[in-house]
Amino acid sequence: GDSVTQMEGPVTLSEEAFLTINCTYTATGYPSLFWYVQYPGEGLQLLLKATKADDKGSNKGFEATYRKETTSFHLEKGSVQVSDSAVYFCALSPYSSASKIIFGSGTRLSIRP
Amino acid sequence: DAGVIQSPRHEVTEMGQEVTLRCKPISGHDYLFWYRQTMMRGLELLIYFNNNVPIDDSGMPEDRFSAKMPNASFSTLKIQPSEPRDSAVYFCASSQLRDFLLQFFGPGTRLTVL
Repeated sequence: GDSVTQMEGPVTLSEEAFLTINCTYTATGYPSLFWYVQYPGEGLQLLLKATKADDKGSNKGFEATYRKETTSFHLEKGSVQVSDSAVYFCALSPYSSASKIIFGSGTRLSIRP
Repeated sequence: DAGVIQSPRHEVTEMGQEVTLRCKPISGHDYLFWYRQTMMRGLELLIYFNNNVPIDDSGMPEDRFSAKMPNASFSTLKIQPSEPRDSAVYFCASSQLRDFLLQFFGPGTRLTVL
């Protein structure tokens, strides 16, 4: 079945470091891909999305590119801030069931001042 | 807009008791989703509704779980009887028909079953 695999955390970085959180997926057809962020004590928020191959989603300095050939959707940010500390979830919506979202296990990110 | 509202925010109960979690979606949203988040299993979709009608309840773990949406502004998730393994954070989310993948999540209900 459709699934998402993302790198295990926790990931700890210093402020202004470069961030990459890896995400790969398994799906038939052409799923939509997402990154959600969950700040402490809050629900998930959509961070960015891409709906077709080679699309780049971007928001708040974060970017991710839909790579069909490698079935990947890695999250990147050039210079992280303490306020970016959160749990990040990679997710997909299957082509066959466009109302469902399948989430990865989440990656906890901690940024040191 | 107040966003998705869930109550209670925290619930502690004893095994065997009935638990009811409540959700008020964003006004005008057509879809409502119930998720469960645990350390072991991550975030799982339990059930979702479209225009108050349950569409897919394949994620509901067993008959002890039931969900209703009597109107467009209210939904409940009930566990009867509750068990310690039901301890988790339960999230409600809602979205609009024109962009149903853009789901807005509530703050969650942290359930502890002793």
